[in-house]
Amino acid sequence: DGGITQSPKYLFRKEGQNVTLSCEQNLNHDAMYWYRQDPGQGLRLIYYSQIVNDFQKGDIAEGYSVSREKKESFPLTVTSAQKNPTAFYLCASRQGYNYGYTFGSGTRLTVV
Amino acid sequence: GQQVMQIPQYQHVQEGEDFTTYCNSSTTLSNIQWYKQRPGGHPVFLIQLVKSGEVKKQKRLTFQFGEAKKNSSLHITATQTTDVGTYFCAGTGPNFGNEKLTFGTGTRLTIIP
Repeated sequence: DGGITQSPKYLFRKEGQNVTLSCEQNLNHDAMYWYRQDPGQGLRLIYYSQIVNDFQKGDIAEGYSVSREKKESFPLTVTSAQKNPTAFYLCASRQGYNYGYTFGSGTRLTVV
Repeated sequence: GQQVMQIPQYQHVQEGEDFTTYCNSSTTLSNIQWYKQRPGGHPVFLIQLVKSGEVKKQKRLTFQFGEAKKNSSLHITATQTTDVGTYFCAGTGPNFGNEKLTFGTGTRLTIIP
């Protein structure tokens, strides 16, 4: 079955450490996205990529970095510069502008 | 800050009652999408509306896009326990960028059996 895989589901890190969240899709979608969701909040866009080797900052890109070396993969690094990294991180992809997002099951990151 | 607002933030209804959530944008949208997120889960795409005044139905769910393409609503008739979750609208438009979605704040629906 086609879909998006995010791993791990739960991640614990010490403050000051960088951590990379994995996002892999086999849907052959060009566009991929990273959103952050805080408890009781909506989704805020971190980064997005419309094509391999290209990506753009979203609304809350500070303290995060991404890469898009392969069409299938769009990993997100949460750096030590991110002041409040504890959150639920969602990766998504879509076929084109007139299509809905397909989301992964998310990664819950807790920084202690 | 958020450019797409939803009301109410929370809604508790008795099973069998109707439910409506409203989505409002300060600027014109190109299209609007609706998603449902079950507790502990991830958002799932429900539908997209594109045309001014468009109305679409999915069983007990009715979606509307306003004439000015600045607002939208989702109405659920005779709620069931399976309707529990948070409903998000998400839009694209000239002010937001058509290549990405801007999500609303969401409405969390709980059902009282």
